Parts: sequence; C-alpha cells; structure tokens
Amino acid sequence: AQSVTQPDIHITVSEGASLELRCNYSYGATPYLFWYVQSPGQGLQLLLKYFSGDTLVQGIKGFEAEFKRSQSSFNLRKPSVHWSDAAEYFCAVGRSDTIGGSQGNLIFGKGTKLSVKP
Amino acid sequence: GAVVSQHPSRVICKSGTSVKIECRSLDFQATTMFWYRQFPKQSLMLMATSNEGSKATYEQGVEKDKFLINHASLTLSTLTVTSAHPEDSSFYICSAPRDAWTQETQYFGPGTRLLVL
Repeated sequence: AQSVTQPDIHITVSEGASLELRCNYSYGATPYLFWYVQSPGQGLQLLLKYFSGDTLVQGIKGFEAEFKRSQSSFNLRKPSVHWSDAAEYFCAVGRSDTIGGSQGNLIFGKGTKLSVKP
Repeated sequence: GAVVSQHPSRVICKSGTSVKIECRSLDFQATTMFWYRQFPKQSLMLMATSNEGSKATYEQGVEKDKFLINHASLTLSTLTVTSAHPEDSSFYICSAPRDAWTQETQYFGPGTRLLVL
C-alpha cells in the first residue's frame, strides 16, 4: 500500500539558517509528489510538485525539493528560513488507483511543524 | 490565484444533531471537489470525492449515510455530518482542482473545525 512518512514531527530552526524537511514514500511506480504548507486559518498551499523530468524541483517562497528514487525520498529544502515560514508542512503522494493520476486523491504524511527562532 | 472557501470555519453542536459544511470555489468552476478529514497531529485522510451531477464516491471505511455529500452546483459542495457524535469532532477540509481534466492544480479551503459535545 502507498504511504508517506515524515519522520520529524516538530523542527525548530533559527531564522536565516537552512532547512531540510524529510519525506519518504512507499510506491510501486513513479509517484506524483507534492509539498504543501498549512498556516493557521489558511488553506493548504501548494509549495511544489514533482510529476516527471528534472528531479530537482523549484517551488514558491524559495523552497525546493529533490526526488531521489533510490532513497524513495522527496525532501524539502530552503537555504535561509524566514520567520514567516513557521507553519505545518505536509508531504503527499498521488494515489496510483486514480485515473489520470488525479491530484485530488492524495495520501498525506502526518506533517512536520516548523518553528523559527528569532 | 484561485480561492476555495469553507463555511463555517468552526462549529460546535450537540450530540445527535446534524451539521452542514459548505465548500465553494470562488472564481472557478469545479466539477469535482474532495473532502478530507484531519485529526490532531495526524495527516489528512480523503473521505470522499464529490462529483457535480452524480453521486459522491466514498473512501473505504467512510459511512455514506453518515457523511452526506451534495454537489449542488459547479461552485458548491456540501458535507453534512448526520447525527453527529463526539468521535466526529475533527477538522474537515475540502479541495477543488481548477482543471477538471488534469487536476494538477489543487486548491484547498481553510477548513472547518467541528466539535461535537
């Protein structure tokens, strides 16, 4: 069965420091992979997605993620964190049993809460 | 960018009552909308796919008579939690793809927090 694991429940980094949020997935074929950010009172916002092609994906707000098939990972990175990046981050994989790889049928990880120290 | 709204943002109800949650796409039409449920410190779990003009498709383990879904128009889907019980307390989130065919771009509502007393 497909699954997504985010090993870190809560991460605290200093403002200006680099960030890496881990995501591992279990999937039988080439997955559709996503990173979302959820701020209090806000809807989930798509940061970036990987469908195919270049394994290093650039997203909004200065985030990037790298798809590594050999490690079944899709880690999210940012070189310099801002205080406004404090939020909950979710990794998700598109389900294989959906026609056309519908993004709507997503399996989410449990999320990583990011806190930023001044 | 596209916006999806949900109403209400939070609701408290007594056990045994029914609660309706609305999901609206504000500047695009959505023939498909998705309903998720999120428990504290847990991931979002897809409950059902709401289809305009046809019956909703429910995920395994989700009671269709408990969670009634009506896709009334191309911009509105409603989720009704019938005879709510405390275990139904959760955060309910809807999403809608802007492109019905590829469904690549998904927009999420801000969520509705339900507390059943």
